[in-house]
Amino acid sequence: QSALTQPPSASGSPGQSVTISCTGTSGDVGGYNYVSWYQQHPGKAPKLMIFEVNKRPSGVPDRFSGSKSGNTASLTVSGLQAEDEADYYCNSYAGRKNWVFGGGTKLTVL
Amino acid sequence: EVQLVESGGGLVRPGGSLRLSCAASGFSFSDYWMSWVRQAPGKGLQWVANINSDENEKYFVDSVEDRFTISRDNAKNSLYLQMNSLRVEDTAVYYCVRARYCSSGSCYLDYWGQGTLVTVSS
Repeated sequence: QSALTQPPSASGSPGQSVTISCTGTSGDVGGYNYVSWYQQHPGKAPKLMIFEVNKRPSGVPDRFSGSKSGNTASLTVSGLQAEDEADYYCNSYAGRKNWVFGGGTKLTVL
Repeated sequence: EVQLVESGGGLVRPGGSLRLSCAASGFSFSDYWMSWVRQAPGKGLQWVANINSDENEKYFVDSVEDRFTISRDNAKNSLYLQMNSLRVEDTAVYYCVRARYCSSGSCYLDYWGQGTLVTVSS
């Protein structure tokens, strides 16, 4: 049950696009279309942003999108806004009824 | 409005026990999988345990499997986590979370409580 690999940090200016990667193996990210993404502001509970690779829950802006290629999933935030500054975590099913998170990425809006 | 309110956190000695509770409201609790997710201070998220609606499926991360028990009382709309043989590395904020479609593997976490802090220290 090794954690998925995310870059520790990412940044972009308002209005730009930023992509955060989440790398696993064929046993987790690459093997299932069960990747989800969570946003966490400091001192707050996480919030679901993307589920099943590229589906957005109601209420999440369409500036947030998800994709997957091979063993790497990605979260793209388009048209960056100040309120997007937060920590982002990916999560994947890892088989045999286990689920694993990534280490998290701190997104800074410059 | 979906609400999940955790309680039961606190300071406990290594080797001790603690029972966390989560009171759920605003949805049909008995229809949903539920999960516990934890976050050590300044660290990332870690999935801890899942339980299905009728308690016949329970899954744990390896590091807690022999020490933690997850249960629920659908009549009371409540979720529990019994933590035994606690270790310093179990120190974390523990979140109660509603989970979707865990039987298939999807298991995305759509509503989170605010968390309760468990500190294991001598």
